[in-house]
Amino acid sequence: DGGITQSPKYLFRKEGQNVTLSCEQNLNHDAMYWYRQDPGQGLRLIYYSQIVNDFQKGDIAEGYSVSREKKESFPLTVTSAQKNPTAFYLCASSPRGSGGRNEQFFGPGTRLTVL
Amino acid sequence: AQKVTQAQTEISVVEKEDVTLDCVYETRDTTYYLFWYKQPPSGELVFLIRRNSFDEQNEISGRYSWNFQKSTSSFNFTITASQVVDSAVYFCALIGGESGYSTLTFGKGTMLLVSP
Repeated sequence: DGGITQSPKYLFRKEGQNVTLSCEQNLNHDAMYWYRQDPGQGLRLIYYSQIVNDFQKGDIAEGYSVSREKKESFPLTVTSAQKNPTAFYLCASSPRGSGGRNEQFFGPGTRLTVL
Repeated sequence: AQKVTQAQTEISVVEKEDVTLDCVYETRDTTYYLFWYKQPPSGELVFLIRRNSFDEQNEISGRYSWNFQKSTSSFNFTITASQVVDSAVYFCALIGGESGYSTLTFGKGTMLLVSP
C-alpha cells in the first residue's frame, strides 16, 4: 500500500536532548513537508523540500533541522534550541510543481513530549 | 499574506442533525485552491475536497456538501444527517498562486462532536 509512515508514534525526550522524527513515503512524491500542531491551533509549516538535497524554511523553522538525502525520506531533528518542542508533528508529501492542483497526503503523526 | 479563519472552535450536535462548518479566507492571488481536511482522534489528516478559485460550483459527496462563494471569500462545509463517526477536527486550508510549490495555510480547525 502506498502511503506515509512516521515513527515513532509517541516520543519522549529529556530537556536538552536532540531527537529525530522519521518520515518515509512510497508515493513517489517529490515534495515533502513537516508541520507542527499545538492544541487549538492549526498546522504550522516547519520545513519543506521540493526535491532531493534541497529544502526551505517554513514559518517556524527555528530550533529544527532537516535533511533530504533520499526522495522517500525527510527526517526532522528537534534540537535543544527549540524552546517548546512538545507538540504533535505531521509529515506530508505531494507531487512536485503542482501548485495547489494536488492535495498533500499526511502521515499518522508523532506526538513528542519533553519531560 | 494568506489567512484562513475558522471562527467556530467547537460545535456539538446530536446525531442526524445537519451542521455547517464555516471557513473564510484571505488571499491576494487570483488563482488559489481551497481544501478541507478531517482529523479524527487518531491524528492523521484525511483529505476531503479541493476547489480551485475558478470553479464556484457547489459540490456534494454523499452526506457532505461544500458551498464556495468568492463574493464573501467563504468555503463552507455542511454535513447532512451527522453521525458519531463524523466527530473530528476539521481544517480548512488555502494555497495561493500557481507557483511550482505549494505551502498550505491552515485555519485553526473546528472540533465537531456528534453525540448519539
